[in-house]
Amino acid sequence: DAGITQSPRHKVTETGTPVTLRCHQTENHRYMYWYRQDPGHGLRLIHYSYGVKDTDKGEVSDGYSVSRSKTEDFLLTLESATSSQTSVYFCAISGIEGGSYEQYFGPGTRLTVT
Amino acid sequence: AQSVTQLGSHVSVSEGALVLLRCNYSSSVPPYLFWYVQYPNQGLQLLLKYTTGATLVKGINGFEAEFKKSETSFHLTKPSAHMSDAAEYFCAVTHGAGSYQLTFGKGTKLSVIP
Repeated sequence: DAGITQSPRHKVTETGTPVTLRCHQTENHRYMYWYRQDPGHGLRLIHYSYGVKDTDKGEVSDGYSVSRSKTEDFLLTLESATSSQTSVYFCAISGIEGGSYEQYFGPGTRLTVT
Repeated sequence: AQSVTQLGSHVSVSEGALVLLRCNYSSSVPPYLFWYVQYPNQGLQLLLKYTTGATLVKGINGFEAEFKKSETSFHLTKPSAHMSDAAEYFCAVTHGAGSYQLTFGKGTKLSVIP
């Protein structure tokens, strides 16, 4: 299994509070991604990173920000959590090795905003 | 932009029966295609992938998929379902040549009936 950890694994927070989720990899892969998974929607890309300090928006980026100061860490921040951000968040990595573009996923963080 | 359609959000099969999960994609350039499996409360695991070459690709746990360009399809099959195959399955597409994002289908939940 790819060395990807996410923390925390579960979190309950109140509306309006800031929340930071962490993704840590030991694979030295260049690309990192944050997705959210909701019933009926599959996985939707929030933000991604193509290198240290290089990030870009995905399909559902409103209300989220990211930072990547080291190759191994990719942080997702909800500046002011809302109930619509209750979801399961997955981090993924990709090295684009061999040109195949597959992504490897972490175990997920279940976030509940009350 | 590429897109993925998975026909059937829920599929039920009897143990020992053929598994067929359908995936159709749209893409303006030759696609790379993936199937992922997700067991309850876990992250996504790569099942198999098509990049170039042989159009029939074999994956883990006895699954295989065939890329049919003329039908823009990449259906997942397994000759004989096992109880342990019960999970959610996601089809995904990306482009090669510089595109490093995946677009996922909404998923198909497979139930296996004893």
